[in-house]
Amino acid sequence: NAGVMQNPRHLVRRRGQEARLRCSPMKGHSHVYWYRQLPEEGLKFMVYLQKENIIDESGMPKERFSAEFPKEGPSILRIQQVVRGDSAAYFCASSPDATVGYTFGSGTRLTVV
Amino acid sequence: EDQVTQSPEALRLQEGESSSLNCSYTVSGLRGLFWYRQDPGKGPEFLFTLYSAGEEKEKERLKATLTKKESFLHITAPKPEDSATYLCAVHHGYGGSQGNLIFGKGTKLSVKP
Repeated sequence: NAGVMQNPRHLVRRRGQEARLRCSPMKGHSHVYWYRQLPEEGLKFMVYLQKENIIDESGMPKERFSAEFPKEGPSILRIQQVVRGDSAAYFCASSPDATVGYTFGSGTRLTVV
Repeated sequence: EDQVTQSPEALRLQEGESSSLNCSYTVSGLRGLFWYRQDPGKGPEFLFTLYSAGEEKEKERLKATLTKKESFLHITAPKPEDSATYLCAVHHGYGGSQGNLIFGKGTKLSVKP
C-alpha cells in the first residue's frame, strides 16, 4: 500500500506564476489535510478536505490560495501569483477519519525566485 | 490562545544516554495529543496519540506520557538512528475542526555513537 504521494517534490516558480501541488491520499483515506512549514517554523495548518468538500479552511490565506479534493483524482493546492514569501515546504496528510494520527507525504518544496 | 511549546529546541545525547523531551500545551478542550518524528527532507512520521491524562504509550525505545498540561517523550538507551526532529501536536480546541492540528516547533535530537 503506497503512502501519501505528493508531486512534484521540488517546484521552482518565478514571482507572479501559478503553483499547483498535488496530493494522492493513501488508499481508503477520504480525509486530506494541507500544512505549510516555513524555515525555522513549525507546521501550520492550512486546510482540511473530504471528497468534494472543504471542511475547514481557517488556515488558508484569504487571497491567492485555493484547494480542492475532487471525487476522482488527487487533491490540489493551488497558489496563484506566487510571491517570495510563499517559499516553503507544503505537506499533505491523509487519514481514514479525523480522530486518528495522520499519514504525511514527503512534501513539495516550493521555491519562488 | 491555544499553543504548543516544545523543549529543549535541541538535544545532543551519547548513545545509551536516556533522556526526555517536553511538550507543554494550552488548549481549550484537548481532543488528542500527537507525537511525530521528522527526518530531514521528509514528512512527519506518526508515533503516538494520547487522549487523556495518565495515558502512556510505548514503541521500542520510546515512551509517551500525558498530564493535564504537558506530555513527555522518554527515550531509553537511544541509538544514532533515533536522531531526528520530534514534533508534538494537539487537536485544536473547541473553536477548530478535528482536522486542525497545532504543532510545536520540535526538538532536534542528535545521538552520537
